[in-house]
Amino acid sequence: NAGVTQTPKFRILKIGQSMTLQCTQDMNHNYMYWYRQDPGMGLKLIYYSVGAGITDKGEVPNGYNVSRSTTEDFPLRLELAAPSQTSVYFCASSYPGANYGYTFGSGTRLTVV
Amino acid sequence: DAKTTQPNSMESNEEEPVHLPCNHSTISGTDYIHWYRQLPSQGPEYVIHGLTSNVNNRMASLAIAEDRKSSTLILHRATLRDAAVYYCILTSGAGGTSYGKLTFGQGTILTVHP
Repeated sequence: NAGVTQTPKFRILKIGQSMTLQCTQDMNHNYMYWYRQDPGMGLKLIYYSVGAGITDKGEVPNGYNVSRSTTEDFPLRLELAAPSQTSVYFCASSYPGANYGYTFGSGTRLTVV
Repeated sequence: DAKTTQPNSMESNEEEPVHLPCNHSTISGTDYIHWYRQLPSQGPEYVIHGLTSNVNNRMASLAIAEDRKSSTLILHRATLRDAAVYYCILTSGAGGTSYGKLTFGQGTILTVHP
């Protein structure tokens, strides 16, 4: 049982480049989330999705875009990378509602130079 | 969103019980109490959650105060693998834009000594 799979695990980008962080889950979870975690800090919600075709902004959405064409996949797009986007990115999924736990991926460590 | 307050850090010895406290004095009647932990260089891991009653699972126990303004995560016998940051989080079960969302604070850094 794979759970939540994120690729790549590490990436170095130059300022102004773009990339897509991939996230796939095999638990048939409706809800999916993208968080970022800066060094020594807690996680901050970037975007979330409650189902295919439905996405919404979280706490820190600027500089990112998402799409959700299938239940399984929730890619995060970085356009025009900036040093402030250097962070560890975590994808998570869950069933709807507050009575279920989230399953997190192992993260993508991104450095923008 | 209702907030939680946790100590910045705690220490324990291996094979001893650990009680990690969390205050949430502004909790609403539909908020669930969730606990996650994050081991070094890993993603957060679900530990346990509850609404009103105490909860037990294979990882830990959750004791919820009768007025629900505080809760305690109990690790019955700490091991070195339990060294992590522990997050206490309230999630809204009331619908609306906060429904089911996790908002992470700073958490408690647990150090386990051999």
